[in-house]
Amino acid sequence: EAGVTQFPSHSVIEKGQTVTLRCDPISGHDNLYWYRRVMGKEIKFLLHFVKESKQDESGMPNNRFLAERTGGTYSTLKVQPAELEDSGVYFCASSQPGGWDSPYEQYFGPGTRLTVT
Amino acid sequence: QKEVEQNSGPLSVPEGAIASLNCTYSDRGSQSFFWYRQYSGKSPELIMSIYSNGDKEDGRFTAQLNKASQYVSLLIRDSQPSDSATYLCAVNLAGGTSYGKLTFGQGTILTVHP
Repeated sequence: EAGVTQFPSHSVIEKGQTVTLRCDPISGHDNLYWYRRVMGKEIKFLLHFVKESKQDESGMPNNRFLAERTGGTYSTLKVQPAELEDSGVYFCASSQPGGWDSPYEQYFGPGTRLTVT
Repeated sequence: QKEVEQNSGPLSVPEGAIASLNCTYSDRGSQSFFWYRQYSGKSPELIMSIYSNGDKEDGRFTAQLNKASQYVSLLIRDSQPSDSATYLCAVNLAGGTSYGKLTFGQGTILTVHP
């Protein structure tokens, strides 16, 4: 069974440019999550999709970040315009169908390292 | 106070010893607890999950949970050099719209020396 995949693995862009990150979850996983780790800090939650719906986007830092999951399969995270503080590693994770009373284990992808110069 | 705190490392143990990793959390409503292992430059890899008070064993790994003390730990028996990695404690709440959100600790670096 294929794991969570992310593309690209690395991205270097200039401040003000746009970048789109892609995540393909494990097949059959309705839940998809985005996290971010900036240098020297712990991994932080960004948002949670259940199928194509945003269940929780409380961790999104500002409106420069836009996440989508059309069709409930892969997801994209767009940063527009990128700022220096957006640099970090963006992880995607997925988990099996579950609910508030039965949280499932989350499996992480390899991450996209974003560098904004 | 951080929501999830791990014992500060780095932790160094000899091969064959028991490595003990600790984690405390601040929210009493937390219901699910996870340990991830992360090698340098790689993704977090889930190694243990625990939901109920007590011990849960899986091979050389034992997770221990004490909700009254808001404490979760991971023991690694017969430590091997390949266990050298950063260990991340993650906690999530049940209920509400944020039921899927994992809150991570800062990680503890473990080094197992031959």
